[in-house]
Amino acid sequence: KQEVTQIPAALSVPEGENLVLNCSFTDSAIYNLQWFRQDPGKGLTSLLLIQSSQREQTSGRLNASLDKSSGRSTLYIAASQPGDSATYLCAVPMAGTALIFGKGTTLSVSS
Amino acid sequence: DAGVIQSPRHEVTEMGQEVTLRCKPISGHDYLFWYRQTMMRGLELLIYFNNNVPIDDSGMPEDRFSAKMPNASFSTLKIQPSEPRDSAVYFCASSFLRDTEAFFGQGTRLTVV
Repeated sequence: KQEVTQIPAALSVPEGENLVLNCSFTDSAIYNLQWFRQDPGKGLTSLLLIQSSQREQTSGRLNASLDKSSGRSTLYIAASQPGDSATYLCAVPMAGTALIFGKGTTLSVSS
Repeated sequence: DAGVIQSPRHEVTEMGQEVTLRCKPISGHDYLFWYRQTMMRGLELLIYFNNNVPIDDSGMPEDRFSAKMPNASFSTLKIQPSEPRDSAVYFCASSFLRDTEAFFGQGTRLTVV
């Protein structure tokens, strides 16, 4: 059974810092990996989707990497801003089922 | 497209009452997913549909929960009778293919008192 783990559960940084969020999964037979952002009381917004054949995907200040063999993905946020404060979730789809989510990392960026 | 639309946004009901949550997926998306989010368990898949047909309902907690998709633009999740432990945020999501980018609605916050 696929399990997705995100470390750390919470992270506080001052504005301007570069930071890395971690995601690990137990079964490497994945089609892709998605990173989402969730603001308090809101739905999930898709940030990046990395196909299993890719190693990296970039969008603005965000860069996500994927290492299937080791079951790991990282989300790198450059020059963090207070507006980046949110919960970040990673998710993987499994054959025969839908997205399996980690419990997220709650990021707080102080000005 | 307005995205995935869920209603109501908030629902407060008494234990034992029937609750119906509604979802309109993005037009053209063949897959629809229902998730439940709690602090303790995070996001859990309840059920998903492909072309209006339920494919995997193994996440539905018990017989009190049922879901339908009568057409490509509408789905419901019903809880009857509701219990306090059903209190959570329920999300609906849709995607073009099962393994492509999923788009989520704003969720329905259910409180059962």
